[in-house]
Amino acid sequence: NAGVTQTPKFQVLKTGQSMTLQCAQDMNHNSMYWYRQDPGMGLRLIYYSASEGTTDKGEVPNGYNVSRLNKREFSLRLESAAPSQTSVYFCASSDRTALTMVEAFFGQGTRLTVV
Amino acid sequence: AQSVAQPEDQVNVAEGNPLTVKCTYSVSGNPYLFWYVQYPNRGLQFLLKYITGDNLVKGSYGFEAEFNKSQTSFHLKKPSALVSDSALYFCAVRDYGGYSSASKIIFGSGTRLSIRP
Repeated sequence: NAGVTQTPKFQVLKTGQSMTLQCAQDMNHNSMYWYRQDPGMGLRLIYYSASEGTTDKGEVPNGYNVSRLNKREFSLRLESAAPSQTSVYFCASSDRTALTMVEAFFGQGTRLTVV
Repeated sequence: AQSVAQPEDQVNVAEGNPLTVKCTYSVSGNPYLFWYVQYPNRGLQFLLKYITGDNLVKGSYGFEAEFNKSQTSFHLKKPSALVSDSALYFCAVRDYGGYSSASKIIFGSGTRLSIRP
């Protein structure tokens, strides 16, 4: 009963390096999300994907790219990391029908430090 | 655009006393509202949601929330606080783009709840 799994849990990057954060869910959800959490800022949406093959920008997409590889997986890529991208990153998934709006389920987070 | 506001960065309560964590919202249609809790070094956990129906919603761990349409509020409450309730609490609203459109969940800035023994 894994839910939403994120890898890695911790990462330290040098400025300018690239990396991909992985996320997978086993709940057959259509929608997936990437958020970043910074002190005093709450959670801010980076990108989201309503269904396989679609992605949309959130509040803070600059410096990031995403790929919805299939229904289970949604990755977040930092092409050239900057110290401002030091944060905790959360992946989430949810589903909905026409009648109900369902809550999101979150991964454990990735703590990223860019030096 | 939909938004939520949590006016208090921190709430301090003595164990056994009632607690309230405040949230106000701004939506263009019917609100779909949520409360989540985050314990240290963990992801967010769902507590409760309001979709429609009764204004008092009951959730996990003895928490409840009161939906007030006239005041556009969705405050989280618990009759008797426990030390183990100490955590970061987030109010959220779903930005509903219609069935065939993408929708996203917008979070407030969070309120840190501290329960003293």
